[in-house]
Amino acid sequence: DVKVTQSSRYLVKRTGEKVFLECVQDMDHENMFWYRQDPGLGLRLIYFSYDVKMKEKGDIPEGYSVSREKKERFSLILESASTNQTSMYLCASSLDGNQETQYFGPGTRLLVL
Amino acid sequence: AQSVSQHNHHVILSEAASLELGCNYSYGGTVNLFWYVQYPGQHLQLLLKYFSGDPLVKGIKGFEAEFIKSKFSFNLRKPSVQWSDTAEYFCAVILGSARQLTFGSGTQLTVLP
Repeated sequence: DVKVTQSSRYLVKRTGEKVFLECVQDMDHENMFWYRQDPGLGLRLIYFSYDVKMKEKGDIPEGYSVSREKKERFSLILESASTNQTSMYLCASSLDGNQETQYFGPGTRLLVL
Repeated sequence: AQSVSQHNHHVILSEAASLELGCNYSYGGTVNLFWYVQYPGQHLQLLLKYFSGDPLVKGIKGFEAEFIKSKFSFNLRKPSVQWSDTAEYFCAVILGSARQLTFGSGTQLTVLP
């Protein structure tokens, strides 16, 4: 079974703090993705990566950055957290190709005070 | 612009009722279509997917979906729902040769025992 793990299930941070969300997958997948999930808005893509050190902006990259130094690990960074970044963050991975299933982690619920 | 539309935000059914959840996309080229489900407290997981061939695809737990190209639709169906089908359902598409999914806003299904 594919396993995607996220470093924290719940996180509380203060406005202006730098926040790191980590995601690790164990199936040697090329593609990795970061989404945020908000009620009534579904999942919105923040960034994705299709190879080590490669990254592509998604639909809502503002206020976020990412890092992929190793194939199995994809980090999401909030440079200066703001209250409007309070959300559920989901990581996913997939094999390369546009017909592949994405496998999701359990999510990190982030509260920015 | 929203590429994927799910018009039903919340559906409430009694057990044994039939289910149809709508999904429409706005893209004239090739699409790969997916339905994902998120049960309470669980990871988002794949329900079914369509790439080509028979437009009626069957997924897990008795779900099926029909791709109607002329209507740009990929509706999810189940003839008889169970209480355990209570979950949030997301339609998603990969547009053309893209790697990333575009999600609809989701439909919360509540099945009453």
